Amino acid sequence: QVQLKETGPDLVQLTQTLSITCTVSGFSLTTYNVHWVRQPPGKGLEWMGAMWNGGGTDYNSAFKSRLSISRDTSKSQVFLKMNSLQTDDTAKYFCARLGYGSPGWYFDFWGPGTMVTVSS
Amino acid sequence: DIQMTQSPPSLSASLGDKVTITCQASQNINKYIAWYQQKPGKAPRLLIRYTSTLESGTPSRFSGSGSGRDYSFSISNVESEDIASYYCLQYDNLPYTFGAGTKLELK
Repeated sequence: QVQLKETGPDLVQLTQTLSITCTVSGFSLTTYNVHWVRQPPGKGLEWMGAMWNGGGTDYNSAFKSRLSISRDTSKSQVFLKMNSLQTDDTAKYFCARLGYGSPGWYFDFWGPGTMVTVSS
Repeated sequence: DIQMTQSPPSLSASLGDKVTITCQASQNINKYIAWYQQKPGKAPRLLIRYTSTLESGTPSRFSGSGSGRDYSFSISNVESEDIASYYCLQYDNLPYTFGAGTKLELK
């Protein structure tokens, strides 16, 4: 069955770099797209960026050049890396699969998320 | 970027009530809207896609409608398991954008 799981640090120091891994199973990264979404405590959902099945990426301009998404298809893993962390980057970070349903692509499966706190 | 204005921010309902949440997009999103349910500490769960198509496993008391810029999501006969937050998502254009959410509570 389709599963996604995020792994990363619980705590990151101010101005440091966050690295999170999304490990997927039940589907191939060369067939499906995986995106990143985050949610600050008590707040709403924010789309961060995409790893497309062809290997390309797209990013929310809100993160400017701080964000990088990559993958290792042999390990079924997608990576998020974001630098210059600030306290307002404290959030739960989710990876989600973009599934296709005629018509259109939407998030059909999500990982449970990983909570990251940025500490000064 | 397409802005999704979701209302109300919170909703209080009794068991068996019908409730409706709306999302207005800042431009036509061609029915590419999905609705998600999120319970505390959990990931969002897809309920409805393409405005009104129920995802497999979504109870029939959930429904969606709309077109152009204006969309709605309803729960008829609210049950205790429906107590959660609900979000709309537009997937017509990147960046995908979510509504701010609606927290459904029991009266």
